[in-house]
Amino acid sequence: DSGVTQTPKHLITATGQRVTLRCSPRSGDLSVYWYQQSLDQGLQFLIQYYNGEERAKGNILERFSAQQFPDLHSELNLSSLELGDSALYFCASSVERGAEAFFGQGTRLTVV
Amino acid sequence: DAKTTQPTSMDCAEGRAANLPCNHSTISGNEYVYWYRQIHSQGPQYIIHGLKNNETNEMASLIITEDRKSSTLILPHATLRDTAVYYCIVRVYGNKLVFGAGTILRVKS
Repeated sequence: DSGVTQTPKHLITATGQRVTLRCSPRSGDLSVYWYQQSLDQGLQFLIQYYNGEERAKGNILERFSAQQFPDLHSELNLSSLELGDSALYFCASSVERGAEAFFGQGTRLTVV
Repeated sequence: DAKTTQPTSMDCAEGRAANLPCNHSTISGNEYVYWYRQIHSQGPQYIIHGLKNNETNEMASLIITEDRKSSTLILPHATLRDTAVYYCIVRVYGNKLVFGAGTILRVKS
């Protein structure tokens, strides 16, 4: 158990809908990272937050947004969902300028 | 962050050492070498990291060449449960982890 909690574990929704994925980092970790893993692609970095502020951005679609709250949990919002958004979404966390980043078990999103 | 090059796949006999190579010829002085693995769609698992010196923990050893342009992850006694995709990543502390394609390690009985 990495200590990073992601909910829900599985999500099935229809095209055009909006969903929110939640991540609770390890206690004391200030950085949160979001990744997407599709079947035909590797782990793609989406976005990083550090203590509530956006720190780095990857190839995150405009339909996707994220935020980190004062209690340090983070949410990834996916809107106008398309079939191609079906993927595993992982969250990771680390301490300030931390050596290791620890990953949650992911949310498997299926868009039908 | 510097790029890394890893073999696409490797096989290893159960109980033998698995040696996974990684090239990172453009690594900068403040970049660390990290290894993660992913077992069948689970969340990536941190294994080990190092800067210049060789490192060992309960999971593995990391050997970094003196010029830091390549490294080897060693799993001393591979088991079937070590079958996974292994990712070598070069990263500055606190920055994002950039995953490549990794090496598929198949441990066979």
